[in-house]
Amino acid sequence: DAKTTQPPSMDCAEGRAANLPCNHSTISGNEYVYWYRQIHSQGPQYIIHGLKNNETNEMASLIITEDRKSSTLILPHATLRDTAVYYCIVRFHTIGGGSNYKLTFGKGTLLTVNP
Amino acid sequence: KAGVTQTPRYLIKTRGQQVTLSCSPISGHRSVSWYQQTPGQGLQFLFEYFSETQRNKGNFPGRFSGRQFSNSRSEMNVSTLELGDSALYLCASSWDGHNQPQHFGDGTRLSIL
Repeated sequence: DAKTTQPPSMDCAEGRAANLPCNHSTISGNEYVYWYRQIHSQGPQYIIHGLKNNETNEMASLIITEDRKSSTLILPHATLRDTAVYYCIVRFHTIGGGSNYKLTFGKGTLLTVNP
Repeated sequence: KAGVTQTPRYLIKTRGQQVTLSCSPISGHRSVSWYQQTPGQGLQFLFEYFSETQRNKGNFPGRFSGRQFSNSRSEMNVSTLELGDSALYLCASSWDGHNQPQHFGDGTRLSIL
């Protein structure tokens, strides 16, 4: 799996949008971008994933650049409960074989939402 | 839909003992993976089970083992515990282990005295 680069920490004001960047310059054609977050003392929580089109769900939006070398996770209205470590992971999706059984986590970004 | 359930949440053991951790996956999920999380090494993959068979294994010593039952529930065993085994052990399930998101439980916090 390709490596990702994330800032170690970010701050955001409560109620504002939180934009978390991720660089994955060596991403290949069938590798998807996944985002997870981990709130203290809990397991990682799946947020969203995508290939090349922008994706949105009830938790967040994922914006992937046209060259797919970077992406941004957007939490539209951050709350104090969104304070967590956010992990950007690149994972290939198998086509007719192979295995992508494991997720490779980096150090992530500690997002602190301030009142 | 119930999430991934791990028991117990906390465990204290002493060196040399063995321990068994349990994981109940999301209903319908057949793949169960185990990870170890420590402050120094982060999240590291231990092994993955699918249909009662260990399909993949990470770089951990043979003291770490696991199994999966016919109902997809999984157990992980660590024998001859060492101080360095103190960690948060996480279980994740997915439908097939491939092109689907893995969903994690809240882990078992194991402390070795």
